[in-house]
Amino acid sequence: RKEVEQDPGPFNVPEGATVAFNCTYSNSASQSFFWYRQDCRKEPKLLMSVYSSGNEDGRFTAQLNRASQYISLLIRDSKLSDSATYLCVVFTISGYALNFGKGTSLLVTP
Amino acid sequence: EPEVTQTPSHQVTQMGQEVILRCVPISNHLYFYWYRQILGQKVEFLVSFYNNEISEKSEIFDDQFSVERPDGSNFTLKIRSTKLEDSAMYFCASRENTEAFFGQGTRLTVV
Repeated sequence: RKEVEQDPGPFNVPEGATVAFNCTYSNSASQSFFWYRQDCRKEPKLLMSVYSSGNEDGRFTAQLNRASQYISLLIRDSKLSDSATYLCVVFTISGYALNFGKGTSLLVTP
Repeated sequence: EPEVTQTPSHQVTQMGQEVILRCVPISNHLYFYWYRQILGQKVEFLVSFYNNEISEKSEIFDDQFSVERPDGSNFTLKIRSTKLEDSAMYFCASRENTEAFFGQGTRLTVV
């Protein structure tokens, strides 16, 4: 089983739509979780950390379900500028390295 | 805003040659990383470096690869004898706490 799994998409949605991405991780002892965003041929950039209590940042909401080893990202009121690949990221057990999922591609259309 | 800088942005090398990719992490960060991303594929962990030594490495990071922090600011990745399949974007990253900051990458093309 892959350590971090994501639905690769692509997700094609109209502007203003709500879209949700899911991610599962294999190691139940994992402690820290993140969503990164990667634009085409650019470096990954942190979008938000994912906390047990869930967290919200404007139009973005991240949630963690430890029992199911599942992480989600919800984007409300999609903008054209949200078009990117969204990467689910989990710290390794050692706490030193970040493991990336393959990413979910989002295209927001006018 | 502080940033991770990488040089060169693009390197073309012949198969079998050695390459050194250079990175300047953010100055107060303690953890340093190299990742690679083959075109169209996922971001793959290569190695992490903490307290002047390798703290973790993946199975990709074999004897052909080495890392160094030769002074207080630079962090380098050396590939001793490049293969065609080493062609990828190589990202350096650093972190102080939980957020990792990535450089803009070096695109390595092995011909």
